[in-house]
Amino acid sequence: EAGVTQFPSHSVIEKGQTVTLRCDPISGHDNLYWYRRVMGKEIKFLLHFVKESKQDESGMPNNRFLAERTGGTYSTLKVQPAELEDSGVYFCASSQDSRRTGWRSETQYFGPGTRLLVL
Amino acid sequence: QKEVEQNSGPLSVPEGAIASLNCTYSDRGSQSFFWYRQYSGKSPELIMSIYSNGDKEDGRFTAQLNKASQYVSLLIRDSQPSDSATYLCAVLERADGLTFGKGTHLIIQP
Repeated sequence: EAGVTQFPSHSVIEKGQTVTLRCDPISGHDNLYWYRRVMGKEIKFLLHFVKESKQDESGMPNNRFLAERTGGTYSTLKVQPAELEDSGVYFCASSQDSRRTGWRSETQYFGPGTRLLVL
Repeated sequence: QKEVEQNSGPLSVPEGAIASLNCTYSDRGSQSFFWYRQYSGKSPELIMSIYSNGDKEDGRFTAQLNKASQYVSLLIRDSQPSDSATYLCAVLERADGLTFGKGTHLIIQP
Protein backbone atom coordinates (compact mmCIF):
# COMPACT_ATOMS: atom_id res chain seq x y z
CA GLU A 1 0.00 0.00 0.00
CA ALA A 2 1.40 3.39 -0.99
CA GLY A 3 2.04 5.85 1.78
CA VAL A 4 1.36 9.57 1.88
CA THR A 5 3.08 11.28 -1.01
CA GLN A 6 3.95 14.93 -1.43
CA PHE A 7 5.06 16.99 -4.38
CA PRO A 8 7.41 18.67 -4.94
CA SER A 9 10.06 17.40 -2.56
CA HIS A 10 11.87 20.73 -2.74
CA SER A 11 10.91 24.20 -3.92
CA VAL A 12 13.00 27.34 -4.09
CA ILE A 13 11.13 30.52 -4.93
CA GLU A 14 11.58 34.26 -4.60
CA LYS A 15 9.68 36.42 -2.18
CA GLY A 16 6.37 37.47 -3.70
CA GLN A 17 6.00 34.40 -5.91
CA THR A 18 3.33 31.75 -5.59
CA VAL A 19 3.92 28.12 -4.71
CA THR A 20 1.48 25.24 -4.63
CA LEU A 21 2.20 22.11 -2.64
CA ARG A 22 0.36 18.87 -3.22
CA CYS A 23 -0.42 15.97 -0.92
CA ASP A 24 -1.87 12.59 -1.83
CA PRO A 25 -3.08 10.78 1.29
CA ILE A 26 -3.18 7.04 1.79
CA SER A 27 -6.06 5.63 -0.26
CA GLY A 28 -9.27 5.52 1.75
CA HIS A 29 -8.12 7.92 4.44
CA ASP A 30 -10.77 10.55 5.09
CA ASN A 31 -8.64 12.71 7.35
CA LEU A 32 -5.89 14.87 5.89
CA TYR A 33 -3.68 17.23 7.88
CA TRP A 34 -1.13 19.88 6.97
CA TYR A 35 1.77 20.72 9.28
CA ARG A 36 4.80 22.97 8.99
CA ARG A 37 8.21 22.95 10.60
CA VAL A 38 10.13 26.19 10.55
CA MET A 39 13.87 25.83 11.25
CA GLY A 40 14.58 25.58 14.95
CA LYS A 41 10.94 25.21 15.87
CA GLU A 42 8.59 22.33 16.49
CA ILE A 43 6.22 20.88 13.89
CA LYS A 44 3.08 23.01 13.95
CA PHE A 45 -0.43 22.00 12.93
CA LEU A 46 -1.93 24.09 10.12
CA LEU A 47 -5.30 22.57 9.27
CA HIS A 48 -7.41 19.44 9.06
CA PHE A 49 -9.75 18.13 6.37
CA VAL A 50 -12.36 15.44 6.75
CA LYS A 51 -12.99 14.44 3.17
CA GLU A 52 -13.43 17.78 1.38
CA SER A 53 -14.50 19.76 4.45
CA LYS A 54 -12.17 21.90 6.52
CA GLN A 55 -12.57 20.96 10.18
CA ASP A 56 -10.06 23.23 11.81
CA GLU A 57 -7.81 25.79 10.18
CA SER A 58 -6.84 27.57 13.36
CA GLY A 59 -3.18 26.91 12.67
CA MET A 60 -3.06 28.66 9.31
CA PRO A 61 -0.62 31.57 9.67
CA ASN A 62 -2.56 34.14 7.64
CA ASN A 63 -4.68 34.63 4.55
CA ARG A 64 -1.72 34.12 2.23
CA PHE A 65 -2.23 30.41 2.77
CA LEU A 66 -5.06 28.59 1.02
CA ALA A 67 -5.72 24.88 1.33
CA GLU A 68 -8.16 22.90 -0.76
CA ARG A 69 -9.24 19.29 -1.02
CA THR A 70 -11.67 19.15 -3.88
CA GLY A 71 -13.35 15.76 -4.19
CA GLY A 72 -11.95 14.64 -0.88
CA THR A 73 -8.86 13.00 -2.35
CA TYR A 74 -5.62 14.94 -2.79
CA SER A 75 -5.05 18.34 -1.23
CA THR A 76 -3.17 21.44 -2.28
CA LEU A 77 -1.67 24.17 -0.15
CA LYS A 78 -1.03 27.43 -1.94
CA VAL A 79 1.12 30.22 -0.57
CA GLN A 80 0.52 33.54 -2.32
CA PRO A 81 2.51 35.73 -2.12
CA ALA A 82 5.32 33.88 -0.39
CA GLU A 83 7.36 35.63 2.30
CA LEU A 84 10.77 34.79 3.73
CA GLU A 85 9.26 33.48 6.98
CA ASP A 86 7.29 30.87 5.02
CA SER A 87 10.46 28.84 4.51
CA GLY A 88 10.36 25.46 6.17
CA VAL A 89 9.26 21.89 5.71
CA TYR A 90 5.59 21.32 4.99
CA PHE A 91 4.30 17.92 6.03
CA CYS A 92 1.05 16.28 5.14
CA ALA A 93 -0.46 13.45 7.15
CA SER A 94 -3.53 11.28 6.78
CA SER A 95 -5.57 8.98 8.98
CA GLN A 96 -8.60 6.73 8.71
CA ASP A 97 -12.23 7.54 9.32
CA SER A 98 -12.45 8.31 13.03
CA ARG A 99 -16.00 7.03 13.20
CA ARG A 100 -14.60 3.52 12.78
CA THR A 101 -11.42 3.69 14.82
CA GLY A 102 -12.26 6.42 17.32
CA TRP A 103 -10.34 9.66 17.01
CA ARG A 104 -8.30 9.06 20.15
CA SER A 105 -6.59 6.09 18.58
CA GLU A 106 -6.13 7.45 15.09
CA THR A 107 -2.63 7.08 13.75
CA GLN A 108 -1.54 9.93 11.54
CA TYR A 109 0.80 8.77 8.80
CA PHE A 110 3.17 11.42 7.57
CA GLY A 111 4.45 12.13 4.09
CA PRO A 112 8.10 12.93 3.33
CA GLY A 113 7.47 16.67 3.34
CA THR A 114 8.11 19.52 0.93
CA ARG A 115 11.14 21.66 1.71
CA LEU A 116 10.28 25.23 0.80
CA LEU A 117 12.91 27.95 0.63
CA VAL A 118 11.80 31.51 -0.01
CA LEU A 119 14.64 33.82 -1.05
CA GLN B 1 -1.47 27.93 24.33
CA LYS B 2 -0.81 24.22 24.29
CA GLU B 3 2.84 23.28 24.73
CA VAL B 4 4.87 20.11 24.65
CA GLU B 5 8.35 20.29 26.12
CA GLN B 6 11.27 18.01 25.38
CA ASN B 7 14.97 18.23 26.08
CA SER B 8 16.53 18.81 22.66
CA GLY B 9 19.69 16.87 23.51
CA PRO B 10 21.72 15.43 22.05
CA LEU B 11 21.27 12.46 24.34
CA SER B 12 24.17 10.07 23.97
CA VAL B 13 23.67 6.45 25.07
CA PRO B 14 26.05 3.48 24.70
CA GLU B 15 24.92 0.62 22.48
CA GLY B 16 23.00 -1.98 24.46
CA ALA B 17 21.99 0.45 27.22
CA ILE B 18 18.55 1.87 27.97
CA ALA B 19 17.68 5.22 26.39
CA SER B 20 15.18 7.30 28.36
CA LEU B 21 13.32 10.12 26.64
CA ASN B 22 11.00 12.48 28.47
CA CYS B 23 8.21 14.86 27.58
CA THR B 24 5.86 17.15 29.49
CA TYR B 25 2.69 18.74 28.20
CA SER B 26 0.65 21.71 29.34
CA ASP B 27 -2.93 20.87 28.32
CA ARG B 28 -4.73 18.73 30.91
CA GLY B 29 -7.42 18.00 28.33
CA SER B 30 -4.99 15.97 26.23
CA GLN B 31 -6.33 12.53 25.45
CA SER B 32 -3.77 10.73 23.37
CA PHE B 33 0.00 10.65 23.35
CA PHE B 34 2.40 9.58 20.65
CA TRP B 35 6.10 9.06 20.09
CA TYR B 36 7.35 9.56 16.56
CA ARG B 37 10.85 8.79 15.31
CA GLN B 38 12.34 10.98 12.60
CA TYR B 39 15.53 10.27 10.74
CA SER B 40 17.28 13.25 9.20
CA GLY B 41 15.47 14.42 6.10
CA LYS B 42 12.72 11.82 6.47
CA SER B 43 9.10 11.89 7.61
CA PRO B 44 8.04 11.30 11.22
CA GLU B 45 7.22 7.62 11.83
CA LEU B 46 4.92 6.54 14.65
CA ILE B 47 6.57 4.08 17.04
CA MET B 48 4.34 4.18 20.12
CA SER B 49 0.95 5.50 21.20
CA ILE B 50 -0.48 5.54 24.72
CA TYR B 51 -3.84 6.66 26.06
CA SER B 52 -4.07 5.49 29.68
CA ASN B 53 -1.91 6.00 32.74
CA GLY B 54 0.78 3.41 33.19
CA ASP B 55 3.16 1.55 30.92
CA LYS B 56 2.73 0.18 27.42
CA GLU B 57 5.34 -2.14 25.99
CA ASP B 58 6.03 -3.01 22.37
CA GLY B 59 9.20 -4.94 21.71
CA ARG B 60 12.18 -2.90 22.88
CA PHE B 61 10.02 0.18 23.42
CA THR B 62 8.05 1.12 26.52
CA ALA B 63 5.90 4.23 26.76
CA GLN B 64 4.93 5.56 30.17
CA LEU B 65 2.13 8.03 30.87
CA ASN B 66 1.35 9.95 34.06
CA LYS B 67 -1.58 12.30 33.45
CA ALA B 68 -1.48 13.72 36.98
CA SER B 69 2.08 14.90 36.39
CA GLN B 70 1.42 15.61 32.69
CA TYR B 71 4.42 13.52 31.81
CA VAL B 72 5.15 11.02 29.04
CA SER B 73 8.30 9.02 28.58
CA LEU B 74 9.78 6.54 26.15
CA LEU B 75 12.27 3.86 27.11
CA ILE B 76 14.31 2.06 24.48
CA ARG B 77 15.95 -1.12 25.75
CA ASP B 78 19.04 -2.68 24.20
CA SER B 79 19.70 0.47 22.20
CA GLN B 80 21.04 -0.04 18.69
CA PRO B 81 22.92 2.39 16.43
CA SER B 82 19.87 2.31 14.14
CA ASP B 83 17.87 3.92 16.97
CA SER B 84 19.87 7.11 16.48
CA ALA B 85 17.29 9.67 15.38
CA THR B 86 15.17 12.54 16.62
CA TYR B 87 12.26 11.43 18.80
CA LEU B 88 9.19 13.61 18.72
CA CYS B 89 6.60 13.63 21.47
CA ALA B 90 3.10 14.54 20.23
CA VAL B 91 -0.15 15.12 22.06
CA LEU B 92 -3.73 15.07 20.82
CA GLU B 93 -6.50 16.88 22.65
CA ARG B 94 -9.35 16.32 20.24
CA ALA B 95 -9.93 15.10 16.73
CA ASP B 96 -7.65 17.59 15.07
CA GLY B 97 -3.99 18.33 14.84
CA LEU B 98 -1.18 16.97 16.92
CA THR B 99 0.84 19.28 19.14
CA PHE B 100 4.49 18.38 18.85
CA GLY B 101 7.54 18.99 20.98
CA LYS B 102 10.78 20.09 19.32
CA GLY B 103 12.18 16.59 19.62
CA THR B 104 15.11 14.95 21.35
CA HIS B 105 18.14 14.05 19.27
CA LEU B 106 19.29 10.58 20.36
CA ILE B 107 22.74 9.22 19.53
CA ILE B 108 23.55 5.57 20.19
CA GLN B 109 27.29 5.12 20.45
CA PRO B 110 28.63 1.80 19.10
